[in-house]
This record gives sequence, C-alpha cells and structure tokens, in this order.
Amino acid sequence: KAGVTQTPRYLIKTRGQQVTLSCSPISGHRSVSWYQQTPGQGLQFLFEYFSETQRNKGNFPGRFSGRQFSNSRSEMNVSTLELGDSALYLCASSLAVAERGTEAFFGQGTRLTVV
Amino acid sequence: AQSVTQLGSHVSVSEGALVLLRCNYSSSVPPYLFWYVQYPNQGLQLLLKYTTGATLVKGINGFEAEFKKSETSFHLTKPSAHMSDAAEYFCAVSLPFGNEKLTFGTGTRLTIIP
Repeated sequence: KAGVTQTPRYLIKTRGQQVTLSCSPISGHRSVSWYQQTPGQGLQFLFEYFSETQRNKGNFPGRFSGRQFSNSRSEMNVSTLELGDSALYLCASSLAVAERGTEAFFGQGTRLTVV
Repeated sequence: AQSVTQLGSHVSVSEGALVLLRCNYSSSVPPYLFWYVQYPNQGLQLLLKYTTGATLVKGINGFEAEFKKSETSFHLTKPSAHMSDAAEYFCAVSLPFGNEKLTFGTGTRLTIIP
C-alpha cells in the first residue's frame, strides 16, 4: 500500500511569489491535514480537509489556503511568500474513524525555502 | 483547548540504557495521545497511541507508554536503547469524536552514546 506522497520534496521561491504544494493521501483515507514545521515554532496545524470541505483551521493568515479534490488529493497554496514561510510542510492522511483515534500517516514533507 | 509539554529538548542515553522521554498534557476532555518519531529529512512515523482501554500501550521498535490520568502524563519508555533510536520524538494530543487536529509538543531529540 503506497504511503502519503508529497510533491515536490524541495522548493526554492522568492519573496512575494506564490507556491502550491501537493499531497496524495493513502488510498481510502478521506482526511488530509497540513502542518508547518519550523525550528522556532515546532509543528503547527494549518488545516484539515475531509470530503472536500475544510473542517478545521489553525491560526495562520489568509495567505495560507488549501483545497481537497474528489479523489482526496489535496493542495495547499501560500501567496505573497515571506521569508518566515520557509519551513518543512507536512501532509498527513487518516481514515477519520472516531474510534480509531487520529492515526495520522505523514508524508516526507516539502522543504520550502523563501529567499 | 489542549496543549502538550515535553520536558527536555535534548536527552542523551548510553546504548543499552533505559530511555525515558517525558510528556504531560492539558485537555478539557479525555484526549487521545500519541508518540511520533522523526528521522532527519523525513516525515513523522507513529510509534504508539492511546485512545481508550488499557493504559499501558506498546508500540513499534520496543517502545511503550503509560497513560496516567491523575498525573496528566504519557511518558515514553524503552528498556534498552539502540543506536537506531537516535531521532526526534514528538508527543501529540487530539480530541476525540472525529477531530483530526493534532497538537504537538516541542519535541525531544534523543542521542544515543555508544
């Protein structure tokens, strides 16, 4: 069974540009969540999508957005990039079955560097 | 709201010694608790989880953790450290009933001394 796939693995962008990151969840998983990981702030929740709807949102500015497609694949977009957006962006997928707990499976991440 | 505190950002143990990584949580309702491991330039891998039932949970690679409600703790242990255990470990909490959001601690970097 294939794991969570994130593309691209590495990305370098210039301040002011926008970027789109992609995540393909494990087959059958309906929930996709995104996290930002930085040395200073650690792992922070961005948002969660379930059946194409944003179900939960973290405390990030509106420059950060996402969507989920009917096949559960998800994208996140960051507009008007700032230096502080440099981070490892992790995608996690889960079955989203309450009695199983949130058994999230993570991708290897996309390392975004803003210069 | 929920939160997680991991005591000790860096822990060093000798190969073969006991590993103890500490995690305390705060939650308004009984939470689900998790330990994840991250190797350099990799994503996170689930080590073990507690949802309900038995408070001592066993995970992969010989790790286990005990949920202690009275102490609001979920410490991770392994009887005998191996060089391959060197990594960063994250404790996380989520609320039950279909909430997929994980709140993570700041992580503990584990170093194994040969």
